[in-house]
Amino acid sequence: QKEVEQDPGPLSVPEGAIVSLNCTYSNSAFQYFMWYRQYSRKGPELLMYTYSSGNKEDGRFTAQVDKSSKYISLFIRDSQPSDSATYLCASRANSNTGNQFYFGTGTSLTVIP
Amino acid sequence: DTGVSQDPRHKITKRGQNVTFRCDPISEHNRLYWYRQTLGQGPEFLTYFQNEAQLEKSRLLSDRFSAERPKGSFSTLEIQRTEQGDSAMYLCASRGGGVNSPLHFGNGTRLTVT
Repeated sequence: QKEVEQDPGPLSVPEGAIVSLNCTYSNSAFQYFMWYRQYSRKGPELLMYTYSSGNKEDGRFTAQVDKSSKYISLFIRDSQPSDSATYLCASRANSNTGNQFYFGTGTSLTVIP
Repeated sequence: DTGVSQDPRHKITKRGQNVTFRCDPISEHNRLYWYRQTLGQGPEFLTYFQNEAQLEKSRLLSDRFSAERPKGSFSTLEIQRTEQGDSAMYLCASRGGGVNSPLHFGNGTRLTVT
């Protein structure tokens, strides 16, 4: 079982729709959760970074973590064609050394004008 | 903050040749990571440096791969005797010293082995 599981999609929505992207993780030691956006032939760009459970909002984006079910979500409101990209979730444990970043496979999103 | 810089952006090489990639992290970041990403997959960890010390290497990093960070600033990743299976995007990322600091990625070097 992979540390972080993510539905690869693809997901296609009309402009203005609310998008819900989801991941599950297996390691209960994970404390930090990230969402990255990756455009074609570019590196991942950090969108959201949250600690433990709860919600975090930044403009049209909301990240949600439910540690009881090991479920992390990213919601995009009023989706725009420029949101068309691959979205990667990532998790890590609470430690200051080494590599503890685990990535999902990414969900490909297309927002249709 | 000029971001993480990688060079070259794209490298095409023939099987059996050696290639070297360079990464310049965000200047105040002491931790540097190399990842490999293939189509439809998330980044896979290759190796990690804290300052100039290489502290962790993945099993994915075969003997043909070597990475250095000689002065704790830029890093190089060399692949010797390239194989077609090495074709991928090689991503560099850096992060600061705080326990809760996230990874910041460069735009990667896309390697094509023919």
